[in-house]
Amino acid sequence: KAGVTQTPRYLIKTRGQQVTLSCSPISGHRSVSWYQQTPGQGLQFLFEYFSETQRNKGNFPGRFSGRQFSNSRSEMNVSTLELGDSALYLCASSSGQGATYEQYFGPGTRLTVT
Amino acid sequence: AQSVTQPDIHITVSEGASLELRCNYSYGATPYLFWYVQSPGQGLQLLLKYFSGDTLVQGIKGFEAEFKRSQSSFNLRKPSVHWSDAAEYFCAVRGYGQNFVFGPGTRLSVLP
Repeated sequence: KAGVTQTPRYLIKTRGQQVTLSCSPISGHRSVSWYQQTPGQGLQFLFEYFSETQRNKGNFPGRFSGRQFSNSRSEMNVSTLELGDSALYLCASSSGQGATYEQYFGPGTRLTVT
Repeated sequence: AQSVTQPDIHITVSEGASLELRCNYSYGATPYLFWYVQSPGQGLQLLLKYFSGDTLVQGIKGFEAEFKRSQSSFNLRKPSVHWSDAAEYFCAVRGYGQNFVFGPGTRLSVLP
């Protein structure tokens, strides 16, 4: 079974631009979560989607948004990029919603904002 | 609010030596606890998890962790470290209906 895939793997954007990252979960998984990883703040939860509905949201500004499609693929969008948005963005999928369901992480998308 | 601390930012051990990575959490009820490992350029891989029951849990790659409620700790151990264990290790907590909260991570270096 294929793992979680994230595209693109690397991205360079300019401040003020917007970016869309994509995540394809493991086949059959209906929950997708997004995380931001930076050296200074560590791993921080962005949001979780289950069956196309946002179930949980972390403490990030409205510039960060996401969605999930009927095939469980998910995208996250960051508008008006700032230098501080440079980070590794990780996506994780699980077969269900809730703490007891194991999350499987993708390799991440490395976003650099210049 | 949930929180996780990992007191050791960086640990260096010799190959074959034993390892213990510390994790302390703050949560009002019994949390769900996890240890993840991240190799350079990779995503996170689950090593083990604790939900309830036996406080000593076994994971993959020869790792184990012990949940100690009285100390709010969930330390990760391995009796003999291999060079391939060099990576970053994250402890995480998740309460019922809550989001994952990760610790800052401990970077493990292994000397030959």
